[in-house]
Amino acid sequence: KAGVTQTPRYLIKTRGQQVTLSCSPISGHRSVSWYQQTPGQGLQFLFEYFSETQRNKGNFPGRFSGRQFSNSRSEMNVSTLELGDSALYLCASYDYRNTEAFFGQGTRLTVV
Amino acid sequence: AQSVTQLDSHVSVSEGTPVLLRCNYSSSYSPSLFWYVQHPNKGLQLLLKYTSAATLVKGINGFEAEFKKSETSFHLTKPSAHMSDAAEYFCVVDPGGGFKTIFGAGTRLFVKA
Repeated sequence: KAGVTQTPRYLIKTRGQQVTLSCSPISGHRSVSWYQQTPGQGLQFLFEYFSETQRNKGNFPGRFSGRQFSNSRSEMNVSTLELGDSALYLCASYDYRNTEAFFGQGTRLTVV
Repeated sequence: AQSVTQLDSHVSVSEGTPVLLRCNYSSSYSPSLFWYVQHPNKGLQLLLKYTSAATLVKGINGFEAEFKKSETSFHLTKPSAHMSDAAEYFCVVDPGGGFKTIFGAGTRLFVKA
């Protein structure tokens, strides 16, 4: 069974640009969550999608958005990038039967 | 309100000695509690979880954790550390009703030869 796949693994962007990150969950998982990990703030919840609907949202500005497709794949978009957006972005797909989250390896975003 | 506190930012042990990583939580509900491990440049891997069944939970790689409601604690232990255990460990509270989980700040475990 394939795990959670995040692409790309590494990205370098310039301030003011926008970026889109992709996450393919484990087959059969309908819930996908996104997290931002930074040395200063640790792991912070961004949002959760379930069956193409955003179900929960963390405390991030509107520059951070996401969506989920009918095949449960999810994308996260950050517009008008700031230096502080440099982070490891982790995606997790959730198995509600076993209340267990499976994480991808993350996308390392560097904003210069 | 839900919260989770990992009491140590760094723990250093010698190979072959016991490991104790401490976690206290606060939750208005009966929470699900988890420990995850993150090796450098990797995603998070589930070590173990508590979901209101047995209070002593056994996980992978010889780790276990005990849920103590009276102390609101969920400490992670391992009898004998291995070099490969060196990583960052996260205690996680899932308050339920959706996946708006709360991560602890993490404890970095160092294992000395």
